[in-house]
Amino acid sequence: QKEVEQNSGPLSVPEGAIASLNCTYSDRGSQSFFWYRQYSGKSPELIMSIYSNGDKEDGRFTAQLNKASQYVSLLIRDSQPSDSATYLCAVIPIYNQGGKLIFGQGTELSVKP
Amino acid sequence: DTGVSQDPRHKITKRGQNVTFRCDPISEHNRLYWYRQTLGQGPEFLTYFQNEAQLEKSRLLSDRFSAERPKGSFSTLEIQRTEQGDSAMYLCASSFQQATSGNTIYFGEGSWLTVV
Repeated sequence: QKEVEQNSGPLSVPEGAIASLNCTYSDRGSQSFFWYRQYSGKSPELIMSIYSNGDKEDGRFTAQLNKASQYVSLLIRDSQPSDSATYLCAVIPIYNQGGKLIFGQGTELSVKP
Repeated sequence: DTGVSQDPRHKITKRGQNVTFRCDPISEHNRLYWYRQTLGQGPEFLTYFQNEAQLEKSRLLSDRFSAERPKGSFSTLEIQRTEQGDSAMYLCASSFQQATSGNTIYFGEGSWLTVV
């Protein structure tokens, strides 16, 4: 079992719709969770971090964390073509004292005009 | 620009040659990470430094790979006797770590390596 799993996609949504991206992780004791956006040929860019169960909203983005289910999601409201990118879920497992991120393989999102 | 800086951005080298990448982290960040990313995959951890000490190396980091962070500032990643399988984007990242939680990691633009 991979430490962090995401559906690779591609996930295609129409412009203006809600895009829902999902991620599961294996280390139950993980405390820190991140979503990065990566445009083709570019480096990852931090969008959201979340540390507590529940929802965290930032503009059109909402991160949701459920530690009991070991599940993290990212919702993008009013999706725009500029949101088309690969979204990477990353986790810092509890065993990791160095703060290194463990990434999923990423979900490719395509927003159609 | 006060972000993480990497150089060179692109490198094409012949198999068997050595290459070196440099990373300048965000000023005052005490942690520096190297990752490798291939097409269609998420970044894979290679190694990290806290100040000048290299505290962890991945099993992915073969003997041909070496990283340094003299004086706890910039870092270099050297790949000796490159192989075609080394072709990837090498990402440097940094963070300022005060406690075990809330570690936000920022990435540089990456260094693309193509081994021909």
